[in-house]
Amino acid sequence: GQQVMQIPQYQHVQEGEDFTTYCNSSTTLSNIQWYKQRPGGHPVFLIQLVKSGEVKKQKRLTFQFGEAKKNSSLHITATQTTDVGTYFCAGGSNYKLTFGKGTLLTVNP
Amino acid sequence: NAGVTQTPKFQVLKTGQSMTLQCAQDMNHEYMSWYRQDPGMGLRLIHYSVGAGITDQGEVPNGYNVSRSTTEDFPLRLLSAAPSQTSVYFCASSYDPPGANEKLFFGSGTQLSVL
Repeated sequence: GQQVMQIPQYQHVQEGEDFTTYCNSSTTLSNIQWYKQRPGGHPVFLIQLVKSGEVKKQKRLTFQFGEAKKNSSLHITATQTTDVGTYFCAGGSNYKLTFGKGTLLTVNP
Repeated sequence: NAGVTQTPKFQVLKTGQSMTLQCAQDMNHEYMSWYRQDPGMGLRLIHYSVGAGITDQGEVPNGYNVSRSTTEDFPLRLLSAAPSQTSVYFCASSYDPPGANEKLFFGSGTQLSVL
């Protein structure tokens, strides 16, 4: 079955540093979605990428979808304490959304 | 709108007991799904439904049953709880399946402990 790998598992940064998490799928995806889960909360949708090579920005967050539609990345510029949480990528195909294991981001003020 | 509502928020069971986790959505979503979240394992799909009367298995379906008699409700049943089912369970819904470029709306989760 489809597998989605995500690295790193954990990332600790000083406030103001940049952060990147990477996602790789074993199969070609119809789309890639990114979710954020705050500690003790539920996953909340951030963005969806559909097109090969697509790049989208949300303020300090930049999302990329690879040319082969099998990999993606999320980059946060100048992290803030409000960025703390687990970031999940999820690959969509057919009727399922397969999640990566997530990257837990902690930010030292 | 309430969105996706899960009950209960917390539950403790003894091994062998049965129970039903409830999930309801008021957004007229056709697609509903159940995930479990374990430390270091991410979110794993248990069962999903593309509409009333239609259900299918996800990645980890063993030990769980589902049914979809209405568009709004998608209960998850544990027939004979086992300690391995200790987890946080999330229900999620969308109008169309995720593969059709639809984002998922998640409930607030049920934390289940099986002793």
